[in-house]
Amino acid sequence: GPKVLQIPSHQIIDMGQMVTLNCDPVSNHLYFYWYKQILGQQMEFLVNFYNGKVMEKSKLFKDQFSVERPDGSYFTLKIQPTALEDSAVYFCASSLDWGVGEQYFGPGTRLTVL
Amino acid sequence: AQSVTQPDARVTVSEGASLQLRCKYSYSGTPYLFWYVQYPRQGLQLLLKYYSGDPVVQGVNGFEAEFIKSNSSFHLRKASVHWSDSAVYFCAVSGNSNNRIFFGDGTQLVVKP
Repeated sequence: GPKVLQIPSHQIIDMGQMVTLNCDPVSNHLYFYWYKQILGQQMEFLVNFYNGKVMEKSKLFKDQFSVERPDGSYFTLKIQPTALEDSAVYFCASSLDWGVGEQYFGPGTRLTVL
Repeated sequence: AQSVTQPDARVTVSEGASLQLRCKYSYSGTPYLFWYVQYPRQGLQLLLKYYSGDPVVQGVNGFEAEFIKSNSSFHLRKASVHWSDSAVYFCAVSGNSNNRIFFGDGTQLVVKP
């Protein structure tokens, strides 16, 4: 079936540095999402994005977070600066439709902030 | 408040046995319910979903789930498991008022040969 790719699979950085997580969504999908899963906890919604704009964001989507999809390329999550509590697995998803549209998930990027 | 509870962190069954993974949800509004499976180093894959209609929904690989509104439950079942079913299973809820999915903690299924 359709696949969402995420690059890299694992990223280790020092606290305070900037990091960009990359997502290659399903090619004809229009809606894009990021979810965060801290080890041992539930996967939680961060943000969704459509037509170049953030549609919804949760309280986990701090001011240090930003998303974009320049020119239809990767959908990115940037964290600047990073903090220790940002260590988690970040899952990207995409869907064709809003609401009942099925979200396809990537394998996740494990971010470790030292 | 929206939430999903999967009370069993780990379930171990023998190959060929039947399976039930439990899920209860809390959602203010009409719920859309999902079961996803995650194999190692892969993304979540949708097993099945319930939006409306017949409360028993069929999914891939012989999985099914039953929506019981009175109990706020959406348990996943399979009549006979295979070793390849070993994975982590996530129950999730969403709705037509927004586009965010709320996930449970996941249940690790181990199928013994």
